[in-house]
Amino acid sequence: DGGITQSPKYLFRKEGQNVTLSCEQNLNHDAMYWYRQDPGQGLRLIYYSQIVNDFQKGDIAEGYSVSREKKESFPLTVTSAQKNPTAFYLCASSIDGRVNTEAFFGQGTRLTVV
Amino acid sequence: DQQVKQNSPSLSVQEGRISILNCDYTNSMFDYFLWYKKYPAEGPTFLISISSIKDKNEDGRFTVFLNKSAKHLSLHIVPSQPGDSAVYFCAASAKRYFSGNTPLVFGKGTRLSVIA
Repeated sequence: DGGITQSPKYLFRKEGQNVTLSCEQNLNHDAMYWYRQDPGQGLRLIYYSQIVNDFQKGDIAEGYSVSREKKESFPLTVTSAQKNPTAFYLCASSIDGRVNTEAFFGQGTRLTVV
Repeated sequence: DQQVKQNSPSLSVQEGRISILNCDYTNSMFDYFLWYKKYPAEGPTFLISISSIKDKNEDGRFTVFLNKSAKHLSLHIVPSQPGDSAVYFCAASAKRYFSGNTPLVFGKGTRLSVIA
């Protein structure tokens, strides 16, 4: 089945550690996105990539980094510089970031800093 | 500043009645609007969309209305069912002529409870 896979579903991190969240899609989509959801805040854009080897900062990119070395993969690293990393992280993809189309979401990763 | 606003955090509706979820936007460059449904600890799922060249789009029990002059859209669910109970997000994107459409901008969501 085609879709977006995020792993792990739950992740615990000690303060001061970097952690990488995985996002893989087999939909052959060009564009991929990372959003963060906090209670009562909706979804806020962290980073996005419209094509392989290119990515752009979103509204809340500070303390995060990404790479897009392969079309199907868009990993997100939460660095120790991120002040409030505990949140629900959502990865999405769309067929082409240049046209009007819906984005498809993964099941999310719940990150908790302990 | 919030560009997409869902001013009602929650809504309760009886089963079989109509649910109306509202969304306002401030960016006049938005030209594509979507509604997503989300259950706790899951990713949002796409429901329905509308382009700014239309004022209505219908898909089964779901209808989205767009009023561009008022910068307002609404999602109607008729008839409402208990399985519709979830958080509904309004989202929008704007066309950029040289670098593709903007990523989706989301509202904060409205929690719909359909009571049997």
